Amino acid sequence: GESVGLHLPTLSVQEGDNSIINCAYSNSASDYFIWYKQESGKGPQFIIDIRSNMDKRQGQRVTVLLNKTVKHLSLQIAATQPGDSAVYFCAENPLTGGGNKLTFGTGTQLKVEL
Amino acid sequence: NAGVMQNPRHLVRRRGQEARLRCSPMKGHSHVYWYRQLPEEGLKFMVYLQKENIIDESGMPKERFSAEFPKEGPSILRIQQVVRGDSAAYFCASSSGQGALNEQYFGPGTRLTVT
Repeated sequence: GESVGLHLPTLSVQEGDNSIINCAYSNSASDYFIWYKQESGKGPQFIIDIRSNMDKRQGQRVTVLLNKTVKHLSLQIAATQPGDSAVYFCAENPLTGGGNKLTFGTGTQLKVEL
Repeated sequence: NAGVMQNPRHLVRRRGQEARLRCSPMKGHSHVYWYRQLPEEGLKFMVYLQKENIIDESGMPKERFSAEFPKEGPSILRIQQVVRGDSAAYFCASSSGQGALNEQYFGPGTRLTVT
């Protein structure tokens, strides 16, 4: 079936560096993508989203890039801080065709080293 | 403004017992979603409910699992005759159901352990 997956299970970065977390999706009909951050023992927290009619969207210290040609999504975190340490998930929400369920990738563990 | 609330946060059940997980959506939200997360994995969709209606239960196991969202009170995810494979974190999310994007807000989860 269709799936959303991540390339790297663990990413270690130095504090202050930029982080890039990647995600591949297989459903070419996907039209809405979300990045979530999950800290240990907590539920997923919304970070940023992007629709398929865009290729870039910026938030506070975060940027999401969408490449529909290769079905690739990335999350960039600028000036990574210790508080950014968490598992990051990309998720797909097929807005068209009805329903509102999210399909999550496996997750990438981001570790920020001091 | 309270977020999505789930209880209990931790639940231990012996094989064969029943587990009841509760979810109170954010104020003003009438749409509830349940997801299951196994260790080291992403969340898997189970069911989508609106008040008194099941909209999409395509992710629910055919047996032993049921969900409801009554007119009054929290949404309940019920697991009958639990087995060790049911051990997981169960997350509830809610949304307003309005707007094209309809962002889902997640609760802290219930961690179910079956012994």
